[in-house]
Amino acid sequence: EVQLVESGGELVQPGGSLRLSCAASGFTFSSYSMNWVRQAPGKGLEWVSYISSGSGSIDYADSVKGRFTISRDNAKNSLYLQMNSLRDEDTAVYYCARPYCSGGSCYSRSAFNIWGQGTMVTVSS
Amino acid sequence: QSALTQPPSASGSPGQSVTISCTGTSGDVGDYNYVSWYQQHPGKAPKLMIYEVSKRPSGVPDRFSGSKSGNAASLTVSGLQAEDEADYYCSSYAGSNNLVFGGGTKLTVL
Repeated sequence: EVQLVESGGELVQPGGSLRLSCAASGFTFSSYSMNWVRQAPGKGLEWVSYISSGSGSIDYADSVKGRFTISRDNAKNSLYLQMNSLRDEDTAVYYCARPYCSGGSCYSRSAFNIWGQGTMVTVSS
Repeated sequence: QSALTQPPSASGSPGQSVTISCTGTSGDVGDYNYVSWYQQHPGKAPKLMIYEVSKRPSGVPDRFSGSKSGNAASLTVSGLQAEDEADYYCSSYAGSNNLVFGGGTKLTVL
């Protein structure tokens, strides 16, 4: 079964740091780019970050640029998000998401069909 | 990046059709045919319903259809069923390796 499982979310004080993990199984993780998407309580979805299959291409939303770092370990089938200088507005459920691939094309930056269950990050004093 | 604009709510009776709009700009929806739609039930992860404006992943019922005109995209759900009640989000590639989502629309089946 294709599966993504996030972990690492917890309550953290403003200015603090946190590292999220996403464990992949059921597919060849090293063949896929990956994304992080977050959702603040009662709010909509927000794309956070992208990493290519070999880590050669990385992008961030302006809202997290310079504070968050995405990385992956293909040998461990794992995706990570290092979150520093956390702010109240970073409070959200964080999802890792795999792009939809069909007919030889992968929609790496535009369509995600495999999502984890999410991990909750709460930034509060 | 500014979020795409969706109506906060939409509704319809079982069997009816409902259309949800998603308005962007010439920098996102208007420039790229990379509009996707997601369905999200409470407490669940989003589910991809439409990609590349109007294409359905395997397993998504053909009651769901997508279209685009200019800077606006639309999702139409035909033959409404009770299980279609959920939040729906549009997204669009916005250039410069950015992806933008809409604010979401709560669909109620009356």
